[in-house]
Amino acid sequence: DTGVSQDPRHKITKRGQNVTFRCDPISEHNRLYWYRQTLGQGPEFLTYFQNEAQLEKSRLLSDRFSAERPKGSFSTLEIQRTEQGDSAMYLCASSLGLRDRGYEQYFGPGTRLTVT
Amino acid sequence: AQSVTQLDSQVPVFEEAPVELRCNYSSSVSVYLFWYVQYPNQGLQLLLKYLSGSTLVKGINGFEAEFNKSQTSFHLRKPSVHISDTAEYFCAVRTEGAQKLVFGQGTRLTINP
Repeated sequence: DTGVSQDPRHKITKRGQNVTFRCDPISEHNRLYWYRQTLGQGPEFLTYFQNEAQLEKSRLLSDRFSAERPKGSFSTLEIQRTEQGDSAMYLCASSLGLRDRGYEQYFGPGTRLTVT
Repeated sequence: AQSVTQLDSQVPVFEEAPVELRCNYSSSVSVYLFWYVQYPNQGLQLLLKYLSGSTLVKGINGFEAEFNKSQTSFHLRKPSVHISDTAEYFCAVRTEGAQKLVFGQGTRLTINP
């Protein structure tokens, strides 16, 4: 069990540029989640995949955001035409999807995005 | 819609003193409750969870929490804290049938020597 990994750990970009983040879940986990955490706040849900299907999206996920999980393994989160308000920590989590464990989610270290 | 309120944004305590971090939630359906810890520049680590059964749950690092349905609370406690417990603590709720976690705004626990 190598844990959830995210790449890059830090990204600085200029307003208007596109950025893409990658998340590799724990290998046997079929559920994958993206959250956004701004300074001094708790994480907020963005989207959820079960295998390769994106089953839920938050209203926070504007048209500039897109997430994929093409083969049901790793996932990417892309932000187009970044804005300063996109600056945040983007967290990925994965879950084995076991009801008797409350679908507990394991989090990666996050990607910190700074938009200048 | 469900929500989580962590009543204290910061809690300073002395080393070896007891601590309680408060969490209240609102939901019209059954909930599952979680406490996570976040150390600086790291992701979230699960401390403990309440799914059903005994209302007192024990977690890692000597932490425990008590689910109180009538007061819709899930307070986190530790009888004696250590410097290494300095971190941000998040309470989260997941409702029956939902997948996403809803988090509180966090409590920063600072341990003074």
